Amino acid sequence: SQQGEEDPQALSIQEGENATMNCSYKTSINNLQWYRQNSGRGLVHLILIRSNEREKHSGRLRVTLDTSKKSSSLLITASRAADTASYFCATDPVFGPGTRLSVLP
Amino acid sequence: KAGVTQTPRYLIKTRGQQVTLSCSPISGHRSVSWYQQTPGQGLQFLFEYFSETQRNKGNFPGRFSGRQFSNSRSEMNVSTLELGDSALYLCASSKIQGSGANVLTFGAGSRLTVL
Repeated sequence: SQQGEEDPQALSIQEGENATMNCSYKTSINNLQWYRQNSGRGLVHLILIRSNEREKHSGRLRVTLDTSKKSSSLLITASRAADTASYFCATDPVFGPGTRLSVLP
Repeated sequence: KAGVTQTPRYLIKTRGQQVTLSCSPISGHRSVSWYQQTPGQGLQFLFEYFSETQRNKGNFPGRFSGRQFSNSRSEMNVSTLELGDSALYLCASSKIQGSGANVLTFGAGSRLTVL
């Protein structure tokens, strides 16, 4: 069964806008990770947040983790066309179904 | 530093045949994981190997098997292929195995089409 579930399944925004994707999981975790997949660079690790962390930043990415609600969110600020991709949360070794993000120029 | 290398990149097989896919991890990475990706089921975990031992296994039938060699290279085999086995098979390597922070570096994948 899927450990992580993302929503929305698909998201379409304009360049410059922020994009928020959410992930829920079912069991206790040590950490949660987010990955991105696009046709050009394949599946790439973005950021890891440990279970004792509540928020983490990396460039234009901000990840939050709420272990009481078993949920995480990924915020991409000031989106660019190059951010168009599918985004997956993962709780080792299980990946969620992903959110397809389209950033329109 | 070379990335994760998967071969072959594309292959076409017919039902009933078997296939072997190969994965060379990043130098120094001892853990190799395999995933199946399809439009309908997303990324499904197949198995993970560490130091030539299968340490974790997903919910796939016994037709799916794998192994890891002493140089950390890994192969997976699918026997008696079915149409539903058509998928992108992704291999990932990592430094830390198990319940630690297992950050995966993925290869480009092997796209299998079963006719």
